[in-house]
Amino acid sequence: GAVVSQHPSRVICKSGTSVKIECRSLDFQATTMFWYRQFPKQSLMLMATSNEGSKATYEQGVEKDKFLINHASLTLSTLTVTSAHPEDSSFYICSARGGMSESPLHFGNGTRLTVT
Amino acid sequence: QKEVEQDPGPLSVPEGAIVSLNCTYSNSAFQYFMWYRQYSRKGPELLMYTYSSGNKEDGRFTAQVDKSSKYISLFIRDSQPSDSATYLCAMSGVDSNYQLIWGAGTKLIIKP
Repeated sequence: GAVVSQHPSRVICKSGTSVKIECRSLDFQATTMFWYRQFPKQSLMLMATSNEGSKATYEQGVEKDKFLINHASLTLSTLTVTSAHPEDSSFYICSARGGMSESPLHFGNGTRLTVT
Repeated sequence: QKEVEQDPGPLSVPEGAIVSLNCTYSNSAFQYFMWYRQYSRKGPELLMYTYSSGNKEDGRFTAQVDKSSKYISLFIRDSQPSDSATYLCAMSGVDSNYQLIWGAGTKLIIKP
């Protein structure tokens, strides 16, 4: 149980274009999903908290106009990287919490974004 | 000082050895403690989830929490080359609004 599916696993795009990453909870409903970014050999950095039916909450320093998050249903959240630049190249990982606030997070397999 | 300290390693041990991975923390309000395993270019996988102090065992893995010392451990028995990965500790509590606070991750290498 508690499977989170993330697509695509890898994407290469040109500078200035937008990329959408999908995160789905397959066997549970997730009222809250989280988007992380991970740089090589570093730990996870929380970007934003996605709440179903309401606006996402962004961490300090994360541009909400650049990283658009939509959580339209209890099983799907999307992250769109708009007007991508090479410095946006990174590993993006989504996670979901299926129960109470103290429940552990379950993660997707991540998306490696390369902006050329 | 970081809220959660974890030695990044790498920690290299021979196959079959008992591995001990540790994290220390400063916030006494943390109540929920997790260990995740992350293979290269994959998302973290939940290994152990414990509440408050005590031990929890699952197969070859044992998680220990000592709240009085603000110290958590993950033991891996009969380590296998397939256990080679980065192990991340994470914790949360009411104080952090249950947001996970992460350790830096320890890279573990099991030598055949």
